[in-house]
Amino acid sequence: EAGVAQSPRYKIIEKRQSVAFWCNPISGHATLYWYQQILGQGPKLLIQFQNNGVVDDSQLPKDRFSAERLKGVDSTLKIQPAKLEDSAVYLCASSQHRTSGLNNEQFFGPGTRLTVL
Amino acid sequence: KQEVTQIPAALSVPEGENLVLNCSFTDSAIYNLQWFRQDPGKGLTSLLLIQSSQREQTSGRLNASLDKSSGRSTLYIAASQPGDSATYLCAVGSGTYKYIFGTGTRLKVLA
Repeated sequence: EAGVAQSPRYKIIEKRQSVAFWCNPISGHATLYWYQQILGQGPKLLIQFQNNGVVDDSQLPKDRFSAERLKGVDSTLKIQPAKLEDSAVYLCASSQHRTSGLNNEQFFGPGTRLTVL
Repeated sequence: KQEVTQIPAALSVPEGENLVLNCSFTDSAIYNLQWFRQDPGKGLTSLLLIQSSQREQTSGRLNASLDKSSGRSTLYIAASQPGDSATYLCAVGSGTYKYIFGTGTRLKVLA
């Protein structure tokens, strides 16, 4: 079974530029998560999708961050314009479903390391 | 609001020791708890998932326990090896089926 795929693995941009990250979850997984992990901290949830609908985006800085999951499969996360404090690893995870909480084991991709200069 | 704390923040032990990592959470209304391992520059690897109705889960040299009433989980690693060196994270599933992570324990096992 293929795991969660993410690209690119690394990205370096200057502040005020825009950047986009892509995630392909495990086949058949209905729930998709985007996390931000700043060095030395645990991952922080940015947005959670159930199929192609948003379940939780309460911690997404909506003035600069946007995310979509068209057709309920792949997802993209965009930052425009980037700030220095956006430097972090952006992790994508997927799980089978959310309705019962059971079998909701999360599987993570390798992450995208973003450096904003 | 759920808060997750992991103690200690860092741990260094000689090879062969048995060790315990701790995870505590403030809201006992959880539906599961997951332990992860993260190697430097890598994503998270799932180690163990404990459902809220379970008390413990075991996989090889790893054993995770859950005590919801006291808001605690422990990850026990038996006979530690240098290859176990990594950061260990716990994540609590609660609220609107989202996960709150602790800040992790950085483990170094010395050969």
